[in-house]
Amino acid sequence: GAVVSQHPSRVICKSGTSVKIECRSLDFQATTMFWYRQFPKQSLMLMATSNEGSKATYEQGVEKDKFLINHASLTLSTLTVTSAHPEDSSFYICSARDEVGLAGNTQYFGPGTRLTVL
Amino acid sequence: AQSVTQLGSHVSVSEGALVLLRCNYSSSVPPYLFWYVQYPNQGLQLLLKYTSAATLVKGINGFEAEFKKSETSFHLTKPSAHMSDAAEYFCAVSGGADSWGKLQFGAGTQVVVTP
Repeated sequence: GAVVSQHPSRVICKSGTSVKIECRSLDFQATTMFWYRQFPKQSLMLMATSNEGSKATYEQGVEKDKFLINHASLTLSTLTVTSAHPEDSSFYICSARDEVGLAGNTQYFGPGTRLTVL
Repeated sequence: AQSVTQLGSHVSVSEGALVLLRCNYSSSVPPYLFWYVQYPNQGLQLLLKYTSAATLVKGINGFEAEFKKSETSFHLTKPSAHMSDAAEYFCAVSGGADSWGKLQFGAGTQVVVTP
C-alpha cells in the first residue's frame, strides 16, 4: 500500500516550453500533496504544499507563476513548469500525505521526475 | 519551528558491520520523526517513523531507530550491513498544528558499504 506514482520519469525540453508533471496517489486519498526539488548531492527542498480544492501554498522564494500547481482530485496533483529555462533543470519529487488511521502524518514519495531544459 | 541535523555526510561501513546514522532534532512541539532512504535517481522510501508510541521503532530491511527525548536524538541502526544498504539516508521531522505535515529534512548521509 501507500504507492505514489509520477509521470513522466524524465523529460527533455527546449527552453521556453512548458512541462507538466503528474503525481498520483494510487491506493489512498490525499488532500495534501507536496512538491520538492532536489539538486545533485543535496537534500530535498520543499517548493509548495498542494491542497485539494484550494490554492497551493508556496515556500518563500518559489515563484508561483513559474511553478503552477493544480490539485484537482484527491489522488492527483500536477506541477507545471512554465517557460522553462536551463536553470529549472532538476530532479522534482512529489509526495502525498496519508492522513488516515495509523499512517498518521506520513508522506509517501513518488519516484521523481528528471527535467532537463536545453 | 523544527530542524534536523545529521552528523556525517558520508559513512563507510564494512559488509556485516553495524550501521549507525546519527540524527538530532529540534522541535518546539512533540515531533513526528522519520527516516527515508533514497537510491540513485529514485524517490524516497520510508524506512520507519516515530509518532509518539514506542520509543524503539522497527522498520523495513532490518533497520531500527530509538527516540530519545532527553538527547533529542533519533539515530538509525542496523546490526549487519548489506551491500544493498548503500544509498542516501535522510532524517526528517514534522510537527505542529500549523505545519500541514510539512517535513524538515536533514542534509542526508551517504552510506557506502565495502566488501
